[in-house]
Amino acid sequence: ETGVTQSPTHLIKTRGQQVTLRCSSQSGHNTVSWYQQALGQGPQFIFQYYREEENGRGNFPPRFSGLQFPNYSSELNVNALELDDSALYLCASSYTGVGGYTFGSGTRLTVV
Amino acid sequence: AQSVTQLDSQVPVFEEAPVELRCNYSSSVSVYLFWYVQYPNQGLQLLLKYLSGSTLVESINGFEAEFNKSQTSFHLRKPSVHISDTAEYFCAVSLTGTASKLTFGTGTRLQVTL
Repeated sequence: ETGVTQSPTHLIKTRGQQVTLRCSSQSGHNTVSWYQQALGQGPQFIFQYYREEENGRGNFPPRFSGLQFPNYSSELNVNALELDDSALYLCASSYTGVGGYTFGSGTRLTVV
Repeated sequence: AQSVTQLDSQVPVFEEAPVELRCNYSSSVSVYLFWYVQYPNQGLQLLLKYLSGSTLVESINGFEAEFNKSQTSFHLRKPSVHISDTAEYFCAVSLTGTASKLTFGTGTRLQVTL
């Protein structure tokens, strides 16, 4: 098992810019979720993809968007960055989501 | 909708002492329950989970949690903690079935000292 890998590990962007975060799911996993974890908070669900289709979305604006590719890797795109978007972004994968998710180490995004 | 409450934001404890981290959940339907651990500057690691069957579940490093449906709780316990257990612990819930999202609590910081 290779686990879940995320890139980059750290990123600094300016308010108003756009950013793309990447995630490579664990081998055999067809479900990927993205979470935002602000400092001192629990992770908040952004959205989830199951077999390349979005099948759930949290309370995040449309400027947060994503993709899941045929190899089950995934991207999170954030447009028009705001200071409050500064957080740790976590990717998690699973086979169908039953039994828990495997998390990556996250991408630390800082918006200045 | 589901929700998770972790009443203790921080729990200080001495090494080799027992510890309990509390978790209560709210849901009108059946759920799966999880505990995740997060070490500094790292992602989340699954510690243990309750899906069905025995209400007492154990991890490989000595933690255990008991699902109590009547009290809607899933408290995490360890009889003797080590310095290396210092971390942030998150309780999470998901609906049963395929591809359900995780809803997390706000976390409990376990600080183990000598």
